[in-house]
Amino acid sequence: AQSVSQHNHHVILSEAASLELGCNYSYGGTVNLFWYVQYPGQHLQLLLKYFSGDPLVKGIKGFEAEFIKSKFSFNLRKPSVQWSDTAEYFCAVNGPNTGGFKTIFGAGTRLFVKA
Amino acid sequence: EAQVTQNPRYLITVTGKKLTVTCSQNMNHEYMSWYRQDPGLGLRQIYYSMNVEVTDKGDVPEGYKVSRKEKRNFPLILESPSPNQTSLYFCASSHDSNTEAFFGQGTRLTVV
Repeated sequence: AQSVSQHNHHVILSEAASLELGCNYSYGGTVNLFWYVQYPGQHLQLLLKYFSGDPLVKGIKGFEAEFIKSKFSFNLRKPSVQWSDTAEYFCAVNGPNTGGFKTIFGAGTRLFVKA
Repeated sequence: EAQVTQNPRYLITVTGKKLTVTCSQNMNHEYMSWYRQDPGLGLRQIYYSMNVEVTDKGDVPEGYKVSRKEKRNFPLILESPSPNQTSLYFCASSHDSNTEAFFGQGTRLTVV
């Protein structure tokens, strides 16, 4: 079945460590790619998105993601995490081939940053 | 302020008692959808609506109904809730199906 896969379900880092969260999808053709963040007890908020153009996308709070079409990947990165980055991160994909007009989410990665 | 508003935020109900979770957006968005969030499963789409009077099933529609009589409102109806519908529910809206989604604050539903 086609899907969106996030490789790590739980990640624990110390402050100032670098972060990379993996996201792979299995839909061909044109895709729109998103990373959302959910802070504890809150709703999802958009971190960044890719529709077209430069495959390196910069988002809020120092996050960036790189779209590698040949690898069907859209990994999220941050050079130096802070305690306030503790949250759950979701990768999402939509496009003509995700089954009509659906947005498909990955299972999420819980990040805990130790102070 | 642009927002998606869900009510109620928390709800405990009994099996079989019909309930409605409301969702309203003030951004004139065409596309609205409902998701449920369960641990380890991420968000799964229940229903979505491309526009007024146009709704379609998502990945997990069983046991749910929706309606889109007005552009701003997209209520989620559970005609006969069961314990396996205990979950965290999010409503979302976007300009169209391919743009970023704006999420409501969530409704935590417990069915006993």
